[in-house]
Amino acid sequence: GAGVSQSPSNKVTEKGKDVELRCDPISGHTALYWYRQRLGQGLEFLIYFQGNSAPDKSGLPSDRFSAERTGESVSTLTIQRTQQEDSAVYLCASSLLAGRQETQYFGPGTRLLVL
Amino acid sequence: GEDVEQSLFLSVREGDSSVINCTYTDSSSTYLYWYKQEPGAGLQLLTYIFSNMDMKQDQRLTVLLNKKDKHLSLRIADTQTGDSAIYFCAEGSGNTGKLIFGQGTTLQVKP
Repeated sequence: GAGVSQSPSNKVTEKGKDVELRCDPISGHTALYWYRQRLGQGLEFLIYFQGNSAPDKSGLPSDRFSAERTGESVSTLTIQRTQQEDSAVYLCASSLLAGRQETQYFGPGTRLLVL
Repeated sequence: GEDVEQSLFLSVREGDSSVINCTYTDSSSTYLYWYKQEPGAGLQLLTYIFSNMDMKQDQRLTVLLNKKDKHLSLRIADTQTGDSAIYFCAEGSGNTGKLIFGQGTTLQVKP
């Protein structure tokens, strides 16, 4: 595909349920990033993948959050036992290589609402 | 720690210039970015500047960097209603390239 895609685009869930968010990066991009954007806020870094390993998980807010990546392809972000404060837009980005000089291309995001 | 600050709101008239300001704290930042976010849309990279540059111009966009004051600005010339959006300043952090974002500046362009 031409760009980063994410699914679902919207997800409404009940408090306490688990959710899985999916990201398909641009083909050939080795680096993948997850960010969270709360209403009216900037983006917060969650986790970074280089290939299928995650050297930087420092932004994950709690152990209810986890992510994995298959090779240099799809990544899933899982939130267990969702809480209302998890409501946000979850954005995925990919770049050809990792590093501050590399341009990150963002997907459209998954808007999560926890009731 | 790393922090990026922006003013929250700017209103201009169509045809005027807009200047959006940003300050950052990481003195080791080498790349600084401006992203645009329109309602319901993803983030679009507008431009970036490398820290050994003072200025970068790209059509209607001019980025100015004052490394001493850790101040970055984005100037949009001849602002149009289609420029109405939220503009995010971001710094590339560390070797991983993770981005540290400001809270965004909402630009309102009045006809």
